[in-house]
Amino acid sequence: GAVVSQHPSRVICKSGTSVKIECRSLDFQATTMFWYRQFPKQSLMLMATSNEGSKATYEQGVEKDKFLINHASLTLSTLTVTSAHPEDSSFYICSADNGRGEQFFGPGTRLTVL
Amino acid sequence: AQSVTQLGSHVSVSEGALVLLRCNYSSSVPPYLFWYVQYPNQGLQLLLKYTSAATLVKGINGFEAEFKKSETSFHLTKPSAHMSDAAEYFCAVSRNSGGYQKVTFGTGTKLQVIP
Repeated sequence: GAVVSQHPSRVICKSGTSVKIECRSLDFQATTMFWYRQFPKQSLMLMATSNEGSKATYEQGVEKDKFLINHASLTLSTLTVTSAHPEDSSFYICSADNGRGEQFFGPGTRLTVL
Repeated sequence: AQSVTQLGSHVSVSEGALVLLRCNYSSSVPPYLFWYVQYPNQGLQLLLKYTSAATLVKGINGFEAEFKKSETSFHLTKPSAHMSDAAEYFCAVSRNSGGYQKVTFGTGTKLQVIP
């Protein structure tokens, strides 16, 4: 149980395009999901907290207009990187809270912007 | 405020030797502490967690960690390293924030196992 999936696992896009990444909790409902990014050889940095049915809470320094987060249902949150640039290339990982304070992490999405 | 410090970005051990990965935490409230493992190009897998029950926590794959409040430490150990243990390990601390657990990760320790 407690499986979180992400789609796609890898995406390559041209500079200036937008990319959507999905995060799904497969066997539990998650009122809260989290989005992290991880640069090569670095730790995970929390980008934003996503609550079902409400606006996401962004961490300091994260552009909310560039990283659009939608948490439309209790099992799905999406992160859209708008007008992507090479510096947005990173590993994006989501996690989902099962309501008991436990977070389960997705397998990550490798974004490469050319 | 909360933070974790992992001492040593790289640790090398021989196969069969003791694994010791160090983590010190800072937290204004009793913490929840975690160790995660990450294999290349993969997400995080929870090894073990401390949530104020037993101070010695046993996890998966033979790993364990001991919570020492006096030392503000939560070091990860395994008696005998296996080649498959080669990966990156992250220590993390969480606190309740607005009804959910906000997690802060350490910078990670890459474990190399030498045959």
